[in-house]
Amino acid sequence: GNSVTQMEGPVTLSEEAFLTINCTYTATGYPSLFWYVQYPGEGLQLLLKATKADDKGSNKGFEATYRKETTSFHLEKGSVQVSDSAVYFCALSDRGNTPLVFGKGTRLSVIA
Amino acid sequence: KAGVTQTPRYLIKTRGQQVTLSCSPISGHRSVSWYQQTPGQGLQFLFEYFSETQRNKGNFPGRFSGRQFSNSRSEMNVSTLELGDSALYLCASSLVWRDRRNTGELFFGEGSRLTVL
Repeated sequence: GNSVTQMEGPVTLSEEAFLTINCTYTATGYPSLFWYVQYPGEGLQLLLKATKADDKGSNKGFEATYRKETTSFHLEKGSVQVSDSAVYFCALSDRGNTPLVFGKGTRLSVIA
Repeated sequence: KAGVTQTPRYLIKTRGQQVTLSCSPISGHRSVSWYQQTPGQGLQFLFEYFSETQRNKGNFPGRFSGRQFSNSRSEMNVSTLELGDSALYLCASSLVWRDRRNTGELFFGEGSRLTVL
């Protein structure tokens, strides 16, 4: 079945550091890929998405590129801020009627 | 445009009781999904409703049930509560393609945090 594997957290970075959160997936066909973010005390919200190979999703300084050859969708940001502290979830949709599959989440803490 | 609204936000129950959680999706969204979030298991899919019909179900016991109304609002019910049911229950709504397949882009509410004592 479909699955998503994320790097284990927590990840602690200093402000302005470079961020990478690894995400790999297993799926049949050509899934759509997503990054969701959950700030403390809130529900999840979509951060970015990519729907086909080599697509790059970007939002709020975050980027992720859909790499079919490595089945990966790593999240990156060049300079993190304290306000980026949250839990980040990688997810995939096989474009059918099956539910979105989430990774276990990676908690990011950014210290000033 | 109003977001997904979940009620209640917090509730405390005791073992053996039952609970009903409510979710109002974004206007125009006909698909509603429910997830259980716990520190140990992460996000686990409960079920999805579309046009008042459950069309996907996760691997949860029959104590967990749900329904959707004609206005797309949804409720989920947990009967005979157990300590392990303590969790954040998240509702998400989404648009669907013309062929009724999910777009995959979910809009989440803030969740209902259930504590079972």
